[in-house]
Amino acid sequence: AQSVTQLDSHVSVSEGTPVLLRCNYSSSYSPSLFWYVQHPNKGLQLLLKYTSAATLVKGINGFEAEFKKSETSFHLTKPSAHMSDAAEYFCVVSWPKGSGNTGKLIFGQGTTLQVKP
Amino acid sequence: DTGVSQNPRHKITKRGQNVTFRCDPISEHNRLYWYRQTLGQGPEFLTYFQNEAQLEKSRLLSDRFSAERPKGSFSTLEIQRTEQGDSAMYLCASSLTSLETQYFGPGTRLLVL
Repeated sequence: AQSVTQLDSHVSVSEGTPVLLRCNYSSSYSPSLFWYVQHPNKGLQLLLKYTSAATLVKGINGFEAEFKKSETSFHLTKPSAHMSDAAEYFCVVSWPKGSGNTGKLIFGQGTTLQVKP
Repeated sequence: DTGVSQNPRHKITKRGQNVTFRCDPISEHNRLYWYRQTLGQGPEFLTYFQNEAQLEKSRLLSDRFSAERPKGSFSTLEIQRTEQGDSAMYLCASSLTSLETQYFGPGTRLLVL
């Protein structure tokens, strides 16, 4: 069965410092992996996705994530945090191609990112 | 293209009442998904449609829940005889195919008193 674990429920950084949000996945197949962001009172927005192409994936707003199969990880990073980055972040896995893919997404528990001035 | 829309945005009801939510996907998106998100948790899959066909239902979807997508356009999610445990955010998402990005609506927040 596929699952995803976000290792930190809450991360606090100062504005201008690097951001690291950690995610580990479990999958019998090569997964599709995503990071979504949820701002208060707004819908979920896709930050980036990995679908078996380049292992380093660049997303919107300066975020990127690296797929590491040996570590079963897909950590999200940003070199310099901005106040507007404060939000809830979800690491997500999807059934891959060729496995009866339904496309349904399996979400982690979420990481709350706090950015201090 | 105005994205995925959901109505109502908020719903307060008394236990035992029926409620219905609507989701309008991005036009031409064949796939439509429903998820439920409770406080402090990530969204959980409920069900999905390929055009008008409902192809999978989660075990979370008890027999009090029913979803439809007539003509493969908008979808409705009905909860009968609501319970306090049904209080949650109900999210709708659509995608062009199963392999494409899912775009989420703003959600309908349900509070059952």
